[in-house]
Amino acid sequence: DAGVIQSPRHEVTEMGQEVTLRCKPISGHNSLFWYRQTMMRGLELLIYFNNNVPIDDSGMPEDRFSAKMPNASFSTLKIQPSEPRDSAVYFCASSWGQGGNEKLFFGSGTQLSVL
Amino acid sequence: AQSVTQLDSQVPVFEEAPVELRCNYSSSVSVYLFWYVQYPNQGLQLLLKYLSGSTLVESINGFEAEFNKSQTSFHLRKPSVHISDTAEYFCAVRETSYDKVIFGPGTSLSVIP
Repeated sequence: DAGVIQSPRHEVTEMGQEVTLRCKPISGHNSLFWYRQTMMRGLELLIYFNNNVPIDDSGMPEDRFSAKMPNASFSTLKIQPSEPRDSAVYFCASSWGQGGNEKLFFGSGTQLSVL
Repeated sequence: AQSVTQLDSQVPVFEEAPVELRCNYSSSVSVYLFWYVQYPNQGLQLLLKYLSGSTLVESINGFEAEFNKSQTSFHLRKPSVHISDTAEYFCAVRETSYDKVIFGPGTSLSVIP
């Protein structure tokens, strides 16, 4: 398996523009997580899905952020409109969340810069 | 609500010296505990985990962590560090009945030649 695949790897955009980050989880995994990493706040959980259903979105900073998981093999995180304070590395992770196999598999991240 | 504290944001240590990275958590229910490592420009990788059973868990590269329920701690230790251990280390907690994983702020380990 190729692991968790995120795209794009880097995104540079201007304030006010819409940004869409994409994630393909590992096949067979039933949980998917979106995290944001910054120097100031560390690694924050934004939202997670189980069996394609959003379970906890309490970490989504505000209404400008939205996430979808239309099927088991694809998820998007959208920011509209984007702001400079959204600049961060966004990680997607997936896992098979039951039983003893509790490991999270992380993608390589998307480095977002909002100018 | 769960939370994870890593008191040391940066830990410099000389090569071949021992190191301990501290982690404390708070939770009102049973939890699973994890240590993840992040090398520069990469995503996080699982280092070791405690699910149940023996409170001392080990990784394949010489790290170990001990779950202490009374002190709500899960400190990471290595008796002799290598240059290649330089990385960011994250402690994480997950309730046993819930998929949500919460990470600590991270500890940057720098191994000095």
